[in-house]
Amino acid sequence: AQKVTQAQTEISVVEKEDVTLDCVYETRDTTYYLFWYKQPPSGELVFLIRRNSFDEQNEISGRYSWNFQKSTSSFNFTITASQVVDSAVYFCALIPYSSASKIIFGSGTRLSIRP
Amino acid sequence: SAVISQKPSRDICQRGTSLTIQCQVDSQVTMMFWYRQQPGQSLTLIATANQGSEATYESGFVIDKFPISRPNLTFSTLTVSNMSPEDSSIYLCSVEAAGISYNEQFFGPGTRLTVL
Repeated sequence: AQKVTQAQTEISVVEKEDVTLDCVYETRDTTYYLFWYKQPPSGELVFLIRRNSFDEQNEISGRYSWNFQKSTSSFNFTITASQVVDSAVYFCALIPYSSASKIIFGSGTRLSIRP
Repeated sequence: SAVISQKPSRDICQRGTSLTIQCQVDSQVTMMFWYRQQPGQSLTLIATANQGSEATYESGFVIDKFPISRPNLTFSTLTVSNMSPEDSSIYLCSVEAAGISYNEQFFGPGTRLTVL
């Protein structure tokens, strides 16, 4: 099977807390691409990061960081010192190389940051 | 990155009617896709819009219900035909741009459709 699992349906934290969104993927391809997208209440889908299967380096971008571990097929996303503007639905996604660019989305995690 | 616009941004339609959604990109792109996002759900791929030929539909989606056109490398339309309330969703187009990082896709702002 080729799929993405986001077990956390909803998370609510108080502003300035750190929060980690989990993502577990399955694919039979050895080459694949992983993504995170943010969907704020306005509905547009905002690209956050792309990671290919040969690059296991963790990435940090401001308050955002991503932990890619092939051994556990996970690609987790951490927001440090969360802010109210981080409230959104976050989707983890997968493109197996054999899929001709078709994205497989996880079910999404709704993140609410309380003031 | 590619800048994508969609028209209309939202619409409220009556059961049994059809709506055509337009997707315009500011540069030529290799791949264009249409996704559906039902309320509170994730995104599901409807089809790949192929330039100059028939679209490639995913399981569960058919051309009679969701005809797609792609006359050139910057434009595509999706029609939702004979609508029912179950078609109420956000419809998004996405593109994979030639010359940009492989498999990096950008999404349009979406069309929010409500069927009464």
